Amino acid sequence: QKEVEQNSGPLSVPEGAIASLNCTYSDRGSQSFFWYRQYSGKSPELIMFIYSNGDKEDGRFTAQLNKASQYVSLLIRDSQPSDSATYLCALLFGNQFYFGTGTSLTVIP
Amino acid sequence: EAQVTQNPRYLITVTGKKLTVTCSQNMNHEYMSWYRQDPGLGLRQIYYSMNVEVTDKGDVPEGYKVSRKEKRNFPLILESPSPNQTSLYFCASSLWLGGSSGANVLTFGAGSRLTVL
Repeated sequence: QKEVEQNSGPLSVPEGAIASLNCTYSDRGSQSFFWYRQYSGKSPELIMFIYSNGDKEDGRFTAQLNKASQYVSLLIRDSQPSDSATYLCALLFGNQFYFGTGTSLTVIP
Repeated sequence: EAQVTQNPRYLITVTGKKLTVTCSQNMNHEYMSWYRQDPGLGLRQIYYSMNVEVTDKGDVPEGYKVSRKEKRNFPLILESPSPNQTSLYFCASSLWLGGSSGANVLTFGAGSRLTVL
């Protein structure tokens, strides 16, 4: 069993602020990392994937990966009320995907 | 439209009555997988398939069966459902698991909410 740890929150930020979501994992062999967003009652949808150490930016989202520290994070800039959701960290190890329990984010207008 | 289709979306059944949740994808994906999502436990992988006729257990396979006779379909079978299988189930697929171009990103179906009484 691979461990993927996330702070369950809830995390609340005001509209326009930066939301920072964190994830740690137990297995150094993991090579692919993902952030998914899940609205209540809906299926997960991809926000970002990242494979290499460092930062990867896509619009208002930045994923950061540090394999030595076994840490991956997601920054959401200029947070909007529509960003209110649960964010799932996931990794691929071997042929299996492992998910964290998710961090609930609320963006307050 | 590229998608993963699951049916039924909602089902209430009784203990011991066999049921099948279907999953179909139209993206020619090699990899398909099933997950259950429970409060506080997150998404846990039940079974996965690397390609036709190739399936393997995930972390929580007990009480479930799968088959992959065609590339597009990956049904989940509960031979004798029990109340502890009450959950939200997701099917997901990806093109394949290798490479670094995003080919291993999962596309999820809409989910199937199963209640076993």
